Amino acid sequence: GQQLNQSPQSMFIQEGEDVSMNCTSSSIFNTWLWYKQDPGEGPVLLIALYKAGELTSNGRLTAQFGITRKDSFLNISASIPSDVGIYFCAGLSRETSYDKVIFGPGTSLSVIP
Amino acid sequence: SQTIHQWPATLVQPVGSPLSLECTVEGTSNPNLYWYRQAAGRGLQLLFYSVGIGQISSEVPQNLSASRPQDRQFILSSKKLLLSDSGFYLCAWSTGNNQPQHFGDGTRLSIL
Repeated sequence: GQQLNQSPQSMFIQEGEDVSMNCTSSSIFNTWLWYKQDPGEGPVLLIALYKAGELTSNGRLTAQFGITRKDSFLNISASIPSDVGIYFCAGLSRETSYDKVIFGPGTSLSVIP
Repeated sequence: SQTIHQWPATLVQPVGSPLSLECTVEGTSNPNLYWYRQAAGRGLQLLFYSVGIGQISSEVPQNLSASRPQDRQFILSSKKLLLSDSGFYLCAWSTGNNQPQHFGDGTRLSIL
């Protein structure tokens, strides 16, 4: 079935450093999504990408929808302590009656002050 | 704006007891609704989805069931909980049409 791979699995970085993480799949998706989850809370949508090649920013976050529609990356610039959390990518494909979302296993980010 | 509410936030139940988790969405009509389970802080597993009142589809066979008695209400239930039902349960909604899902704050369920 459809599956997403995220790398790296975890990251430990110094405050102020830039972060890059990516997501790959053997399947094509219509939409790529990036979420952040804080401990004990639900995932929060960061960025949604709808077109192959699209590059979208949200503050210090930048994400791109790969040309092949099988991958996406997320960059965080000048990391701060509140960036700590788990980052999930998700691919969305249209099924017969609903939008099926496949989630990656997540990248855990730790920021050292 | 749209909001999604889940309750309770945490729940501790004995094995064999029943379960009812509730999720409601405000500010939108006829949303697609979803129940996920998340184990150990990773990997969201889709349990159920609903595209309308009374319409429930299950992704994986399990000890749980779902119902949608009203347009913006989604309920996750069990008649007899198992130890393996422990986890973090998340409700989500979307408008469909290739749009993202938005999540509630989740319910932490512990089975003793």
